[in-house]
Amino acid sequence: GQQLNQSPQSMFIQEGEDVSMNCTSSSIFNTWLWYKQDPGEGPVLLIALYKAGELTSNGRLTAQFGITRKDSFLNISASIPSDVGIYFCAGQLMSGANSKLTFGKGITLSVRP
Amino acid sequence: DGGITQSPKYLFRKEGQNVTLSCEQNLNHDAMYWYRQDPGQGLRLIYYSQIVNDFQKGDIAEGYSVSREKKESFPLTVTSAQKNPTAFYLCASQGSNQPQHFGDGTRLSIL
Repeated sequence: GQQLNQSPQSMFIQEGEDVSMNCTSSSIFNTWLWYKQDPGEGPVLLIALYKAGELTSNGRLTAQFGITRKDSFLNISASIPSDVGIYFCAGQLMSGANSKLTFGKGITLSVRP
Repeated sequence: DGGITQSPKYLFRKEGQNVTLSCEQNLNHDAMYWYRQDPGQGLRLIYYSQIVNDFQKGDIAEGYSVSREKKESFPLTVTSAQKNPTAFYLCASQGSNQPQHFGDGTRLSIL
């Protein structure tokens, strides 16, 4: 099946820095989702985006739904040690049988204190 | 406390044995999903169900089976036909016009 493009596979930043992650697709989606996964746990939803061009914030997190509907980015500002984890993007066509999520492979974020 | 409960947290399978992973949700969601996660990989869809008594194969259904007899429950059986079952298994559910939410996962290992 299709996968979304997330790169690089790993990112290393200093505590207090901002970081931006991008996610791209060859096909369009009606919904973009960003999840964070801690080791041995299930992914937790960070931000959901439902409209092209939409910019949504959740605390220090900001995400945008690309105008072309083929990409999204997630920005984390003023990083802290607990931001460590794997960040997945996911796209979905929210209509009937096409309700499956398509995931990226995830970006592992490390934060140096 | 509402949510998605997966059990057990850790599971061990002997060669030639079938094992069943449990997933229960009390969110009244219609749709439920099973994913497999391997190190360095994204989540791959095994099976999904959008309504009781109906389910569909995902991208990697071979060697797995599911049932959806109740809205709250979507158990996954890893059969002996699945030759590489060691992985982290995630269950998710989704309500109408809502994003998917995940359980805490079950880690399956081979003895």
